[in-house]
Amino acid sequence: QQQVKQSPQSLIVQKGGISIINCAYENTAFDYFPWYQQFPGKGPALLIAIRPDVSEKKEGRFTISFNKSAKQFSLHIMDSQPGDSATYFCAASTKSSGSARQLTFGSGTQLTVLP
Amino acid sequence: EAGVAQSPRYKIIEKRQSVAFWCNPISGHATLYWYQQILGQGPKLLIQFQNNGVVDDSQLPKDRFSAERLKGVDSTLKIQPAKLEDSAVYLCASSLQFMNTEAFFGQGTRLTVV
Repeated sequence: QQQVKQSPQSLIVQKGGISIINCAYENTAFDYFPWYQQFPGKGPALLIAIRPDVSEKKEGRFTISFNKSAKQFSLHIMDSQPGDSATYFCAASTKSSGSARQLTFGSGTQLTVLP
Repeated sequence: EAGVAQSPRYKIIEKRQSVAFWCNPISGHATLYWYQQILGQGPKLLIQFQNNGVVDDSQLPKDRFSAERLKGVDSTLKIQPAKLEDSAVYLCASSLQFMNTEAFFGQGTRLTVV
């Protein structure tokens, strides 16, 4: 019920191409969906996030598409650059006991952008 | 603004030994999280503090893991005794308050149990 499924596990894209990473969830109590970017040796850093009351959010080259009825959301990276090469995690957040919030992460996608 | 600080960066221990990790959250952040990230997987929440109280430790293996947050600031995560399957990166994160949705992560401590 708390699981977030992420695909693909790895992705190789040419410079300038579009990178697409998909996630699906089951728990309808999730109400905040962030994407985190992690470089080797670093902790995850928030990239972009969306709430289920909107279907799309765009920040620069990064766009989240959200399909509430299908319980799916995806990250699109336009004009992918070698510097985007990193591991990307989708996540979902809900209130746990005592009104505290918790993040449940997907398994990650290792993106490689070829020059 | 200084980020979440963690130490040590790397630790290698033998199984059945004990180890401790330290975390200093961003100043003023009331909520602190410890995550375990096994190679090739997403971070998994171990324990969550609000100030110096535990909010959720349901996924903490309490027979070997313990954590405390003294005075609602720094936190220590301890493993005793360590098992081979504890090899992972241990990430500390903090957020401004427990209703806040953005968590800021430290660089993590990479633990190798041999």
